[in-house]
Amino acid sequence: DAGVTQSPTHLIKTRGQQVTLRCSPKSGHDTVSWYQQALGQGPQFIFQYYEEEERQRGNFPDRFSGHQFPNYSSELNVNALLLGDSALYLCASSRTGGGWDTEAFFGQGTRLTVV
Amino acid sequence: KNEVEQSPQNLTAQEGEFITINCSYSVGISALHWLQQHPGGGIVSLFMLSSGKKKHGRLIATINIQEKHSSLHITASHPRDSAVYICAVLPPMNRDDKIIFGKGTRLHILP
Repeated sequence: DAGVTQSPTHLIKTRGQQVTLRCSPKSGHDTVSWYQQALGQGPQFIFQYYEEEERQRGNFPDRFSGHQFPNYSSELNVNALLLGDSALYLCASSRTGGGWDTEAFFGQGTRLTVV
Repeated sequence: KNEVEQSPQNLTAQEGEFITINCSYSVGISALHWLQQHPGGGIVSLFMLSSGKKKHGRLIATINIQEKHSSLHITASHPRDSAVYICAVLPPMNRDDKIIFGKGTRLHILP
């Protein structure tokens, strides 16, 4: 079992550009959550997807959007990138819409640098 | 004031020492998670607690719901324990609040 896989591992973008990050959940998991972790900070919840719909959302602007596919994989899209969007983006998967009341597994993250 | 506070922020200790990392929170929770984040970013879930105490190998986690406090202990610490340890709290199931993370405790174990 490959666990949670994220791609790419590193990415450099220019201000104003758009970026798409990808996450494949652990086998058997159907819920995907995305987090942004700035340097030296704890992760911040962005949103959660279950049954191809956004179930919960944190305090992030509409520039942050996502999608979940029928195979439970997910994408995080960020439009009009700002320097402040530079961070580690983490994906976590869990079972049956359980979010964090069931065990969640994290990917290794995608480190996004906006220049 | 942050809703989840961890202490200390940074901790350096010698190999073999007993380590304690603390987490205090100010919100109602249904569960608390301790996470380990290694350099490079990957996060591993160590424990999920809603009461009492859990032990896994050299790691022990305790929670006091009344005092809104949890501790993570590492016995016989080893350099491979060097990582950032993050506390995260999950709100009650009947509320639409979000998981809240602490800022983490950076642990460095010297050989």
